Amino acid sequence: DTGVSQNPRHKITKRGQNVTFRCDPISEHNRLYWYRQTLGQGPEFLTYFQNEAQLEKSRLLSDRFSAERPKGSFSTLEIQRTEQGDSAMYLCASSLAAVETQYFGPGTRLLVL
Amino acid sequence: AQSVTQLGSHVSVSEGALVLLRCNYSSSVPPYLFWYVQYPNQGLQLLLKYTSAATLVKGINGFEAEFKKSETSFHLTKPSAHMSDAAEYFCAVSDLPDEKLTFGTGTRLTIIP
Repeated sequence: DTGVSQNPRHKITKRGQNVTFRCDPISEHNRLYWYRQTLGQGPEFLTYFQNEAQLEKSRLLSDRFSAERPKGSFSTLEIQRTEQGDSAMYLCASSLAAVETQYFGPGTRLLVL
Repeated sequence: AQSVTQLGSHVSVSEGALVLLRCNYSSSVPPYLFWYVQYPNQGLQLLLKYTSAATLVKGINGFEAEFKKSETSFHLTKPSAHMSDAAEYFCAVSDLPDEKLTFGTGTRLTIIP
């Protein structure tokens, strides 16, 4: 059990650029979640997958955001035309379906200049 | 929709003193409740969870929490604070065991030597 991993750990980009983050869940976990955490706040739900199917998206996930989990293993979160308001920590978590414990990765910290 | 309120964004206690972090929830169904801890620049680590079994839940690092349905509370306690307990603590709720988590805004715990 190597835990949930996220890459990159830090990303600095200029406004208007596209960025992509990757999450590798714990190997046998079929559920994968994305959350966003801004400074001084708790994580907010963005979207989640069961295997390759995206089951729910938050209204926070604007059209500029897209997430995929093409083979039911790793997932990517892409933000197009980044804005300064996108600066946050993006957290990934995984779990087994019908089991309540979500295991979190270390996060990707995004700074949009 | 469920929600979580954490009273006190900052709590300071002396080393060796009782730690009490407050969490109240709102949920239309019997909830699943969690406490997570976050150290600087890291992801979230599960401390403990309530899943409708025993109302007093014991977690890691000497923490425990009591589910009180009549008060809609799930406060986190530790009898004797240690310097290593300094971190941010988040209470979270979900309606189903593998559904998205709704987090509170967090409580930053400072330990005074």
